[in-house]
Amino acid sequence: ETGVTQSPTHLIKTRGQQVTLRCSSQSGHNTVSWYQQALGQGPQFIFQYYREEENGRGNFPPRFSGLQFPNYSSELNVNALELDDSALYLCASSLGGSGTSTNEQFFGPGTRLTVL
Amino acid sequence: GQNIDQPTEMTATEGAIVQINCTYQTSGFNGLFWYQQHAGEAPTFLSYNVLDGLEEKGRFSSFLSRSKGYSYLLLKELQMKDSASYLCAVPNQAGTALIFGKGTTLSVSS
Repeated sequence: ETGVTQSPTHLIKTRGQQVTLRCSSQSGHNTVSWYQQALGQGPQFIFQYYREEENGRGNFPPRFSGLQFPNYSSELNVNALELDDSALYLCASSLGGSGTSTNEQFFGPGTRLTVL
Repeated sequence: GQNIDQPTEMTATEGAIVQINCTYQTSGFNGLFWYQQHAGEAPTFLSYNVLDGLEEKGRFSSFLSRSKGYSYLLLKELQMKDSASYLCAVPNQAGTALIFGKGTTLSVSS
């Protein structure tokens, strides 16, 4: 059984640029959630995708967008990068859709994004 | 809304017992999670409590009191490898995400 994988591991961008982060869900999981974790903070929910549709969104601006593909892998896109976007971006996969956060979420290793 | 509070830092010595507290305020309750996160790594699941009481899993136990909006994680026979951040989390109202506390950084010394 393959766990959650994310790419790239680390990324450095400058303000105003755009970035795409990728996540492959654990085998058999159809739901992917993205979180942003600033240094010294807990993860903050960005959005969730279930069956290729956005299934919930946290308090993040529209420049944070995503996709889920038929194989349940997912992308997180961030446009017009700001310094405060520097963080660890975590992807978590689970089985099920709405109301499934009570199911255990399996986290990937994260992508460390630095915005200069 | 939902709010989670936990201490920022704790220290302990090898072999000791430590209790990490978490208080929460949530509209509707659908369980409480504890995750462990080593520096630079992904959070890993430790426990899920939905009913009141203590659940034991090896050296780690988790307690929940729904009436008090309170949980704790108990770590026994501490080892150096237990040095990590411990995150308390509850599902959001829509059930689509976990709302995390800021985490408690535990440092275990010899």
